[in-house]
Amino acid sequence: EAGVAQSPRYKIIEKRQSVAFWCNPISGHATLYWYQQILGQGPKLLIQFQNNGVVDDSQLPKDRFSAERLKGVDSTLKIQPAKLEDSAVYLCASSLGPDRNQPQHFGDGTRLSIL
Amino acid sequence: AQSVTQPDIHITVSEGASLELRCNYSYGATPYLFWYVQSPGQGLQLLLKYFSGDTLVQGIKGFEAEFKRSQSSFNLRKPSVHWSDAAEYFCAVGDNFNKFYFGSGTKLNVKP
Repeated sequence: EAGVAQSPRYKIIEKRQSVAFWCNPISGHATLYWYQQILGQGPKLLIQFQNNGVVDDSQLPKDRFSAERLKGVDSTLKIQPAKLEDSAVYLCASSLGPDRNQPQHFGDGTRLSIL
Repeated sequence: AQSVTQPDIHITVSEGASLELRCNYSYGATPYLFWYVQSPGQGLQLLLKYFSGDTLVQGIKGFEAEFKRSQSSFNLRKPSVHWSDAAEYFCAVGDNFNKFYFGSGTKLNVKP
């Protein structure tokens, strides 16, 4: 089966600019996650979708970050305006369902550098 | 709050030597525990998971992990390391609310 697809792989922008990331989960996976992985740290959950509804966005900086999952398949994550501390790898993951016994499958991530 | 601690930031072992990566968690109820591996420039790949039952679980690539409730630990082991095992390893816990918490990772270097 095809894995989780993410694009772009790399992005370099200046602070205060905007940026968007795209994720296509594994076919049939109802749950989609966006994680932020800062260098030297483990992934931190930003937002979790179940189909096209938000399950958890408690750690999403909503003043600058937004995400959507229209039609319950693809998802986009946007940052506007970007800050220096947003430099990180943004990982998308998907699973069959939200239960903790469902393994998450990760994409290769988008590495974002803020100048 | 739930947390995962991986006390070793970097570990270097010789190829063919045994490996143990430490993971300690803080969670009041029965945790679901996972080990993931991340190669440079790639996402995380699941190595193994523990939900219940036998406390020694086998995973892919010859890895195993042992759940010890009394020590709140879930250490990852491999009897003989290969150069291709060089990567970063993350321990994670899933709680009753289906939230996942990752440790900060351990980078494994393998000496020829």
